[in-house]
Amino acid sequence: ILNVEQSPQSLHVQEGDSTNFTCSFPSSNFYALHWYRWETAKSPEALFVMTLNGDEKKKGRISATLNTKEGYSYLYIKGSQPEDSATYLCASSGGGADGLTFGKGTHLIIQP
Amino acid sequence: EAGVAQSPRYKIIEKRQSVAFWCNPISGHATLYWYQQILGQGPKLLIQFQNNGVVDDSQLPKDRFSAERLKGVDSTLKIQPAKLEDSAVYLCASSTWVHEQFFGPGTRLTVL
Repeated sequence: ILNVEQSPQSLHVQEGDSTNFTCSFPSSNFYALHWYRWETAKSPEALFVMTLNGDEKKKGRISATLNTKEGYSYLYIKGSQPEDSATYLCASSGGGADGLTFGKGTHLIIQP
Repeated sequence: EAGVAQSPRYKIIEKRQSVAFWCNPISGHATLYWYQQILGQGPKLLIQFQNNGVVDDSQLPKDRFSAERLKGVDSTLKIQPAKLEDSAVYLCASSTWVHEQFFGPGTRLTVL
């Protein structure tokens, strides 16, 4: 079983500010790192799947980086908007179709 | 493309009662997962199916939980009898082989 840690647990950010949070995971037996956004009463939405060391992915104002050697990933949100308010989950897998091991999530609140 | 469907969305039961959840994955997705997300924790894998065979059920409490995947498509997860600590959101996800997982909206179970 892999242990995935996320920090901070919660975060309040002013609208328009940029923010970032961290996911750490065991670098042994690593295959892929997944980021999800989960809004209350909705399905978790896949943001990124990353496998290669040094990978950087971007989707609009959100981007993510991956360091598999030291076992961490950062998620960045540029110019936060109220609709970015959600819980951001990261998860690690040891194989392509393996079940995911999730962190506890970072609960992000954007204040107008 | 239709997403992963789950029902019911909410369920309230008394302890020692039985409950069942249903999941219909995305058409053509061979792999199906059930996760349990207890408040304040990340989702935890309960069971993984590949077509209608079980791949991983190492974290399924088999004394009270059971799951099946009918004809390799729909799946049901049952709890019998329920305990207070089973209160959680039960998420179903599906994927093609070696690909990102797509989640349903979950079933929120409250055990009184």
